Amino acid sequence: DIVLTQSPATLSLSPGERATLSCRASQAIATYLAWYQQKPGQAPRLLIYDASKRATGTPARFSGSGSGTDFTLSISSLEPEDFAVYYCQQRTNWLYTFGQGTKLDIK
Amino acid sequence: EMQVVESGGGLVQPGDSLRLSCAVSGFPFITYWMTWVRQAPGKGLEWVATIRQDGSRMYYVDSLKGRFTISRDNAKNSLYLHMSTLRAEDTAVYYCARDSGPGIFDLWGQGTLVTVSS
Repeated sequence: DIVLTQSPATLSLSPGERATLSCRASQAIATYLAWYQQKPGQAPRLLIYDASKRATGTPARFSGSGSGTDFTLSISSLEPEDFAVYYCQQRTNWLYTFGQGTKLDIK
Repeated sequence: EMQVVESGGGLVQPGDSLRLSCAVSGFPFITYWMTWVRQAPGKGLEWVATIRQDGSRMYYVDSLKGRFTISRDNAKNSLYLHMSTLRAEDTAVYYCARDSGPGIFDLWGQGTLVTVSS
């Protein structure tokens, strides 16, 4: 199975700062990677799919990049509602896997 | 409004079986793959199973093959997950998700909690 490793585990930043979250795959997955946001007590929400395509309703401050094994989710200027847990997920070979998550919290 | 709503969770004993349901509305169910994802308390997300639009192909995480079965009834706009021989480690919130990829989970329900305990 493809293992996704997210870093850092926790990221502490202030509103207005830029956030950079990383996801590394154990083998190449082209651009078959998505990012989800989950707030406490809520279901996950799709933000980015196919590495860089914003899902419907995703604000422009969210951007995704990468291909192969290394991927990045960037948030250009953090809003208070952006503090949450973020998961990456790959969709290859009919064996989908998620990363362990990065918690973005307020500094 | 597009919605997916899970039901059927609850407290069961180890070894029991349980069927979860997911009712869909607001979009053409028959045109989408559908997926179950679970999340153990305080843990991350785990993909469970995915089913093709016509129900002809199903895919499972290796660790659950043989115990869990995904199915759908397109006439009832409903998705199901039949779980058998339940174990304590199956305790989780189970989410139903619309799958527009396959493998792109773009609409999620609020989840249903399954607790396996004696």
